[in-house]
Order: sequence, then C-alpha cells, then structure tokens
Amino acid sequence: EAQVTQNPRYLITVTGKKLTVTCSQNMNHEYMSWYRQDPGLGLRQIYYSMNVEVTDKGDVPEGYKVSRKEKRNFPLILESPSPNQTSLYFCASSLYLAGYEQYFGPGTRLTVT
Amino acid sequence: AQKVTQAQTEISVVEKEDVTLDCVYETRDTTYYLFWYKQPPSGELVFLIRRNSFDEQNEISGRYSWNFQKSTSSFNFTITASQVVDSAVYFCALSYTGANSKLTFGKGITLSVRP
Repeated sequence: EAQVTQNPRYLITVTGKKLTVTCSQNMNHEYMSWYRQDPGLGLRQIYYSMNVEVTDKGDVPEGYKVSRKEKRNFPLILESPSPNQTSLYFCASSLYLAGYEQYFGPGTRLTVT
Repeated sequence: AQKVTQAQTEISVVEKEDVTLDCVYETRDTTYYLFWYKQPPSGELVFLIRRNSFDEQNEISGRYSWNFQKSTSSFNFTITASQVVDSAVYFCALSYTGANSKLTFGKGITLSVRP
C-alpha cells in the first residue's frame, strides 16, 4: 500500500531532550516536506527536500533540523525542544515539484513540557 | 505573496443537505495549483482534488463537485446530499511552480453534518 508513515504518533517529552520524528514514504517520491499545525495558525511548512541531500527551509524552520540521506526517509530533528514546539506535525511527499498532489502522513502529536 | 482565504469557519447542516465550502485565493503567478484536503476527526490529511490554473473545467466526483473560477479567484467545493461521514475540517490550498512545492493552506472550514 502506497503510504507515508510517521513515528511516533504521539510523544510527550521535556524541554531540552533531543528527539527525532521519523518519516518514510514507499512511493519513490522526490519531494518531501514537514508541516506543523497549530490552532489559529493553520498549517505551516517547516522544511522541505527536493531530493536526496537537497533540503531547504520553509516558513518556520527555527528549532528544527532535517536530513535526506535516502530518498524514502526524511526525519525531523528537534535538538532542544521547547514548549512552543508543542504541535501536530505532518510529513508529506509528492512525486515531483510543481503542483503534484502531496500525500500526508498520519501526523505526530508532540507535547513538550 | 500567496494567500488562501476560507471565510467560513464553521458550517453545520443536517444530513442530505447540500453544502458549499468557499475558497478564495491570491497569487501573482500565472501558473499555480489549487487543492482541497479533508481532515476527519481522526486527524490525517486526505487529498481530495488538484486543479491547475489553466484548467477551469468543473469537476464532479460522486457527491463532490468543484467550481474553479479564475475571474473571481475562487475554487469552491460542494458536497451534495451530505452525510455524517463528511463531518471534518476541509482545507483549500495553493502552490506554484518553483523549487518549493509548498502548500499555502487556508485556515480550514469545520463542517458538521447532523443526522
């Protein structure tokens, strides 16, 4: 089944404890992206990747890192999480750039205390 | 700058009613893409439709239909004979041709369909 998977689905952590949210897609998509969803602010892009080893910042990259060592994986790293990073995170992928539909993972609900 | 406005925040209808969700967008690009996504209570984002700026044909898929009008910069979504399972948050989104296929989302419309 073609899908985008994320792990963990739920995570409660404490300020400053490094964490990684994994994202994997099995559709051989070139483009991958991370969004966060917050009440009143909607969905905002954090980082994106056009292909292996090519990543760039989205609208709200502060406090996050990403890597794209393999085409299928695009982990989101929070080196020192803070409470303002409490959010619902979505990974997305699409076949290519420029207007192809993006398929989203199930979401990761992160709480930082 | 791109912007998507979904002026309706919450809509409540009774099952079998028709409902239209409005979406107005702003962009300076001549080539762009419009999308609708559904977010049911379970939280995932489900792709519904994609339209490019050169294709103004309306589309129908079962009970769903979409009306794209460049003259008014609108891409409205109609659900005919709504069902309880249609209850969700619906997002309209916009992207353009460029290095980043970022989706610019509207704030979403919460649709509640009552039995």
